[in-house]
Amino acid sequence: DSGVTQTPKHLITATGQRVTLRCSPRSGDLSVYWYQQSLDQGLQFLIQYYNGEERAKGNILERFSAQQFPDLHSELNLSSLELGDSALYFCASSPGGGVRETQYFGPGTRLLVL
Amino acid sequence: SQELEQSPQSLIVQEGKNLTINCTSSKTLYGLYWYKQKYGEGLIFLMMLQKGGEEKSHEKITAKLDEKKQQSSLHITASQPSHAGIYLCGADGRGGSEKLVFGKGTKLTVNP
Repeated sequence: DSGVTQTPKHLITATGQRVTLRCSPRSGDLSVYWYQQSLDQGLQFLIQYYNGEERAKGNILERFSAQQFPDLHSELNLSSLELGDSALYFCASSPGGGVRETQYFGPGTRLLVL
Repeated sequence: SQELEQSPQSLIVQEGKNLTINCTSSKTLYGLYWYKQKYGEGLIFLMMLQKGGEEKSHEKITAKLDEKKQQSSLHITASQPSHAGIYLCGADGRGGSEKLVFGKGTKLTVNP
């Protein structure tokens, strides 16, 4: 158990809908990262937040947004969902936002868009 | 942008056999991370390497980073069914671990 929690574990929704994925980092960790894992693209970095502020951005679509709250939990919002958004979404956390910090991953949320 | 290529893509071995998984980068590796993933589950951190020539071991798993810092290998000695899963290498750039880039993974099956 990494100490990172994600809810829900599974999510089934329809195209065009909006969903929110939630992540609680390990106790004391200030950075939260979001990743998307699909069969064709592999594991791709989406976005990082450090102590409430956006720190780095990866291949995140404009339909997706994230935020980190004062208690350091984070939410990833996915809107206008398409079939291709079906994937495993992982959250990871690390102590700070510095160099060479190990990221600890949560169990993931499996999203299925029908 | 940095790309990581893992080989082989999949591997089936008999319990007790040794095996090696490779991770090759298109650019210099400043931080190289090995993770293990059970199918459909989260990633479990195994090891992190930074320095050229560095080698780390955990139980029966050894990871090395070559001197030129463009390739890493993961070696499992006397494999067991519990070693089965997908092994992923990840790398960060010179600036730090903000944007980890991952290889596509190596699927390991260990037959009893």
